[in-house]
Amino acid sequence: KAGVTQTPRYLIKTRGQQVTLSCSPISGHRSVSWYQQTPGQGLQFLFEYFSETQRNKGNFPGRFSGRQFSNSRSEMNVSTLELGDSALYLCASSLTPGQGNYEQYFGPGTRLTVT
Amino acid sequence: LAKTTQPISMDSYEGQEVNITCSHNNIATNDYITWYQQFPSQGPRFIIQGYKTKVTNEVASLFIPADRKSSTLSLPRVSLSDTAVYYCLVGDKRRGNTGKLIFGQGTTLQVKP
Repeated sequence: KAGVTQTPRYLIKTRGQQVTLSCSPISGHRSVSWYQQTPGQGLQFLFEYFSETQRNKGNFPGRFSGRQFSNSRSEMNVSTLELGDSALYLCASSLTPGQGNYEQYFGPGTRLTVT
Repeated sequence: LAKTTQPISMDSYEGQEVNITCSHNNIATNDYITWYQQFPSQGPRFIIQGYKTKVTNEVASLFIPADRKSSTLSLPRVSLSDTAVYYCLVGDKRRGNTGKLIFGQGTTLQVKP
């Protein structure tokens, strides 16, 4: 079974631009969560989607948004990029939220660099 | 989610057994303990999860004492490829809770030849 895939793997953007990252969960997994990882802040939760609905959101500004499609694929968008948004963005999938959702499967991540 | 405390770093040699202990004094009745492994520039990988006593899989063992205020991840006969950051997470698995994982600083394990 194929793992979680994320595209693109690397991205370079300039301040003020916006970016969209994509995540395809493991087949059959319906819950998708997004995380940001930086050397200074570590792994931080962004948001979680299940059945095309956002179930939870972390402490990030409104510039960070996401959505989930009917096939469980998910995208996240960051508008008006800032230098501090440079990070590894990770997507994780699980069968369903709730029971067993701490067993999440992460993708390889998208390395975003903002210049 | 209950806060966890782990050693910042550990060193070991190939072939040794490594035990990483995590403290979670405020663990709640319904909380489970989950461990992840992360290599540089990769996403975390689920290793093992347990509620009480002992859990073993093909990768590791998880020991949880009766009071559940701590847990120990045991890696048998480590190799250089086990060099990674290991995260201990504690949280409620009950239906209705969200998929929000809170990662601490983790334990950086360095395996030497």
